[in-house]
Amino acid sequence: NAGVTQTPKFRVLKTGQSMTLLCAQDMNHEYMYWYRQDPGMGLRLIHYSVGEGTTAKGEVPDGYNVSRLKKQNFLLGLESAAPSQTSVYFCASSYVRGRENEQFFGPGTRLTVL
Amino acid sequence: DQQVKQNSPSLSVQEGRISILNCDYTNSMFDYFLWYKKYPAEGPTFLISISSIKDKNEDGRFTVFLNKSAKHLSLHIVPSQPGDSAVYFCAARTAGKSTFGDGTTLTVKP
Repeated sequence: NAGVTQTPKFRVLKTGQSMTLLCAQDMNHEYMYWYRQDPGMGLRLIHYSVGEGTTAKGEVPDGYNVSRLKKQNFLLGLESAAPSQTSVYFCASSYVRGRENEQFFGPGTRLTVL
Repeated sequence: DQQVKQNSPSLSVQEGRISILNCDYTNSMFDYFLWYKKYPAEGPTFLISISSIKDKNEDGRFTVFLNKSAKHLSLHIVPSQPGDSAVYFCAARTAGKSTFGDGTTLTVKP
């Protein structure tokens, strides 16, 4: 099992450009999440999904959109990137109810917006 | 308003001694509390958790204590090992979503 994978690992954008981050999980998890982590801070929830075809806003959703067309994939889009979106992005997945309800994280995508 | 706080950004302990990491929360609706460990350039990995109906959970060298009246939890690592050096995040869960603290960087010196 690959677990949770994220594509790409690194990306540099110019202000105003768009991009999509892809998250894939092979554990048949119902829930998927996108977080961002800024230096010295914890993970802040951007958007999440409780199942295929459903999405919901998290703590910091502005400037991002998401889609979950397939259960195993969760896409995070930036339509018009801004320097404030420079961050490390983590995708995670979990069962609805499972052992300790833990989340499984991907390795992260480091995004720089110039 | 930060619902989950880890007030110590860093902690340094000697190998073999106890490490105690602390976490405070404000939302009484949290039903699960989890600790994650993160190495540089990797995603966080689950370490241990505790339900809000319990006050202690132990897994090998790791023990989590929950004091609901004080809205406080702590992670004890005994004995600490150099490989435990990492950033530790406290997380609190409700309605399927987790809120994370800012993390504590633990350094275990040989």
